[in-house]
Amino acid sequence: GEDVEQSLFLSVREGDSSVINCTYTDSSSTYLYWYKQEPGAGLQLLTYIFSNMDMKQDQRLTVLLNKKDKHLSLRIADTQTGDSAIYFCAESQNSGGYQKVTFGIGTKLQVIP
Amino acid sequence: NAGVTQTPKFQVLKTGQSMTLQCAQDMNHNSMYWYRQDPGMGLRLIYYSASEGTTDKGEVPNGYNVSRLNKREFSLRLESAAPSQTSVYFCASGSGSNQPQHFGDGTRLSIL
Repeated sequence: GEDVEQSLFLSVREGDSSVINCTYTDSSSTYLYWYKQEPGAGLQLLTYIFSNMDMKQDQRLTVLLNKKDKHLSLRIADTQTGDSAIYFCAESQNSGGYQKVTFGIGTKLQVIP
Repeated sequence: NAGVTQTPKFQVLKTGQSMTLQCAQDMNHNSMYWYRQDPGMGLRLIYYSASEGTTDKGEVPNGYNVSRLNKREFSLRLESAAPSQTSVYFCASGSGSNQPQHFGDGTRLSIL
């Protein structure tokens, strides 16, 4: 079945780059997502990449996809204290008329001032 | 633009009580979803509605029922709450295949 794995915790200093990694198992995934969750809030869509792409850049965010290794990463350049949150990797497949999304358990990013 | 709105934001119930969590979206999305989030387990799908008039079970449907009242609204009901249902519940909506889901801010539910 589908499974998404990511490390639980990452700590970086303000101004450094953060790289959050994720692996997934389903080769039929169509889209891969990164969501951000701040304390007490819902999941905010950060960015997503179609499975036939290798890279997507959006301001400070860079997503890299290695489809052969089923590895996805999110790089945050010039990490700020406001980036402290939990980041969820997710994969999706079309399944009988709806979008089936499998989430990882989330990586908690701590930014040290 | 409100997006996905969930009510209530917090609730405490006693074991055996019933409750309905409300969700509404204003993005004209066809699909709506209910997830629960528990520590160390990520998000798990409870029920979904691919389109108005249809509902289907997700990964963890036991103890829950849903109603897709119209295109905008999708409610989740706990008929007889149990402590194991203490969780954070998220509603999401999406326009269909190949489009990301958008989430509400969640309902934090504690069952004593």
